[in-house]
Amino acid sequence: SQQGEEDPQALSIQEGENATMNCSYKTSINNLQWYRQNSGRGLVHLILIRSNEREKHSGRLRVTLDTSKKSSSLLITASRAADTASYFCAFLAGGSYIPTFGRGTSLIVHP
Amino acid sequence: DGGITQSPKYLFRKEGQNVTLSCEQNLNHDAMYWYRQDPGQGLRLIYYSQIVNDFQKGDIAEGYSVSREKKESFPLTVTSAQKNPTAFYLCASTRSWGFQETQYFGPGTRLLVL
Repeated sequence: SQQGEEDPQALSIQEGENATMNCSYKTSINNLQWYRQNSGRGLVHLILIRSNEREKHSGRLRVTLDTSKKSSSLLITASRAADTASYFCAFLAGGSYIPTFGRGTSLIVHP
Repeated sequence: DGGITQSPKYLFRKEGQNVTLSCEQNLNHDAMYWYRQDPGQGLRLIYYSQIVNDFQKGDIAEGYSVSREKKESFPLTVTSAQKNPTAFYLCASTRSWGFQETQYFGPGTRLLVL
């Protein structure tokens, strides 16, 4: 399967700042999901955005999807130290039922 | 509490030994998955099962085997043929197969080679 590419690989910010991470892919997709992983733990689902949607919100999270550019972004507003984690995008490429995961962005939020 | 459990949390394998990682879910999900996670490489799919008594190879199945005799259980065996087994192993499930579903993950098992 083809992995997504996430950018940046690592991000270090101060509490209260916004954090933006991006995910690019190469094929057409059915949907794209964002997951969070705390160190040494399993992944937790954050948001799913379908290919016909452009933006979704969940609390302090905002996800956008630009299918023409084959990219998605995850914005975390007013970040907290507890947001420190790795964030992964995952997508269903057209015709596949198996999610493909990106390599992840490691976010550190300093108190 | 519904969820996925994995055991053990840490597992040590000796040269030439087969080891089995447990994955159990009480979510009544049909589909289950095993992923391997290495630093900087994200998740790679080892095996998946759409339904009981069925399973399919993923991207990196060589050196691994699975069974799906019960809906709630999907154990992974790391065989001696897997030459580089040190990794973090994650089990996941989805409500059904063929839908655009959220994956629910277990807490993971870290496998180390002695």
